[in-house]
Amino acid sequence: QKEVEQNSGPLSVPEGAIASLNCTYSDRGSQSFFWYRQYSGKSPELIMSIYSNGDKEDGRFTAQLNKASQYVSLLIRDSQPSDSATYLCAVDGGGGFKTIFGAGTRLFVKA
Amino acid sequence: GAVVSQHPSRVICKSGTSVKIECRSLDFQATTMFWYRQFPKQSLMLMATSNEGSKATYEQGVEKDKFLINHASLTLSTLTVTSAHPEDSSFYICSATGGSTGELFFGEGSRLTVL
Repeated sequence: QKEVEQNSGPLSVPEGAIASLNCTYSDRGSQSFFWYRQYSGKSPELIMSIYSNGDKEDGRFTAQLNKASQYVSLLIRDSQPSDSATYLCAVDGGGGFKTIFGAGTRLFVKA
Repeated sequence: GAVVSQHPSRVICKSGTSVKIECRSLDFQATTMFWYRQFPKQSLMLMATSNEGSKATYEQGVEKDKFLINHASLTLSTLTVTSAHPEDSSFYICSATGGSTGELFFGEGSRLTVL
């Protein structure tokens, strides 16, 4: 059973701080990794994708991938109250387009 | 990113009736579309994978005769909840992928309430 594990949270950080979200996955054959943000009552939206080891930065967001440790993380710098949402880690299931989602981490950014 | 439109956004129906939800890719051809269900404060649950022109592949525990999926074109997939019951009330979300990167583009979701 291929799995993606995330701490459900809630993770609470003060405004302006760095929020660190973590994810581990079980399938060593996975090649594509994604972070989606889901606001309450809304559908998920893609915020980051990463395919190779190392860091990938996009504005205030940095995705980090370590395939040896089967670990993906998302850093949000200068966190804002508008970043409060559930963040879903997603991993491709290998050999196709079936994406496996983690249960999500709820983030609260306190003003 | 690519745009996926889902309709209706909200629907209320009586128990025993059928409801159809449409999912359209507006600016790309979606070779594969996915249907999810999400209960409050829970994660996405994949219901089925549909490929254009072929039968949908349902996840274990999802009744294919209750949740009818049609993917007749590269831009449209529909989910029909047949003989809906109150326990079918949920947030139904579609997503589509048009390329090889694995990125998913989600529709806005459809909130179904069965009375």
